[in-house]
Formats: sequence, structure tokens, C-alpha cells
Amino acid sequence: GESVGLHLPTLSVQEGDNSIINCAYSNSASDYFIWYKQESGKGPQFIIDIRSNMDKRQGQRVTVLLNKTVKHLSLQIAATQPGDSAVYFCAENSYGGSQGNLIFGKGTKLSVKP
Amino acid sequence: SAVISQKPSRDICQRGTSLTIQCQVDSQVTMMFWYRQQPGQSLTLIATANQGSEATYESGFVIDKFPISRPNLTFSTLTVSNMSPEDSSIYLCSAPLGTSGREAIFGPGTRLTVL
Repeated sequence: GESVGLHLPTLSVQEGDNSIINCAYSNSASDYFIWYKQESGKGPQFIIDIRSNMDKRQGQRVTVLLNKTVKHLSLQIAATQPGDSAVYFCAENSYGGSQGNLIFGKGTKLSVKP
Repeated sequence: SAVISQKPSRDICQRGTSLTIQCQVDSQVTMMFWYRQQPGQSLTLIATANQGSEATYESGFVIDKFPISRPNLTFSTLTVSNMSPEDSSIYLCSAPLGTSGREAIFGPGTRLTVL
């Protein structure tokens, strides 16, 4: 069935380096994507979103890239900090789908080494 | 920004019992969602709780096991019935409260352990 998945289950980076977390999706009807950060013992926290009519969106230290041709989504974190250590999930919502009803990818655990 | 709270934050329950989880949103929303997150895994949607109508369940989830109430636009409950150790998970509620209108904001989750 349709699914959203991730290429890398774990990622370890040095503090100060840039991190790139990847996500593949298979539902061609998806038109809205979100990246969430989940720290231990907490609910997912919104990081950044992007609509399918865009290929790039920037936030504070984060950038999301969307490649609809290959159905690929990535999250780039600049100057990674220890506080960025968490599990990161991509999620998608399809046009016509219920608002807030999201399909989640498997998640990537980001570990930042001091 | 909008806030979602859940009660209890965690619980340890005996096999065969039921637990009701409460979710409170600080603003009115048409839809609320219940997700399950099994240990070390991603989130899976259980059901959509609509005010004034029955909840809509996803494949693999049934009302007898996960009855949901939605008495008003700010509150919902999820009951995990006749629990078994396989029900040990984090249960999260969410609502589309973000600025985009499609972004889901999540509660802190309820960590359930069934012995």
C-alpha cells in the first residue's frame, strides 16, 4: 500500500556539522509534507512543512527539500547541536485527505557527538 | 500556540483490564486524531474522532477494542479495552491546530505498559 519511509534509521554527526535526513514517499497524491522531531518521552514537535508546489523551504537552521520526480524529501539541519538529538519523522498528507490525518515514515534517530 | 494535554501521562495495567485516556485541546477543533506508537517505532493512526458522529477507524483497528468518545469540540477519550501486553505503546492524540491548517499538533502522549 501507500507508505512513507526513510533511507537511514540512525545518523550520528559531530556537533557543528550539517545533518541530512532523508525520506521516500510512494503516494503520488501527497501534496503536503511535514518534518517532526520527537524527543524521548515527548510527543512529536513540528519542525517545518512544505507543499508540493514548492521544492525548497527554509526555516531557522533547517531546510526541507522536495523532489517530486523521485518522490524524495530531505531535512537539512545546519550546525547541528546536542539539542538536536532526537528521532525525526517525515509525514505526508494527501490532497482531499483529512486535515491533520498524517502518514508517518519510520523515523531516523539523530545522535550529535560533542 | 495551541496546547494539547493528555491524562494519564503513563500507566501500568493488568492484562484483561481497560484504560481510558483523555485528551484536552485548548481551542475548538472539528477533528481530533488518535495515534499509537509501539516501542521504537513510528506513529500509526488509530482513528479520527469527529464531534457529533462516530469515530472513523483505520484498517486494523476496531471500535470494540478502541472505543472513542468526542463529547465536545475540545475533548476526546480513547479506551484501550481488554488489554494484553501487545497493547503496550504510547498513545497520542493530535489536532490540526497549526498555522497551515493541515499541520497536526500532538499531545505529550500516554505511555501504557500492560503486564
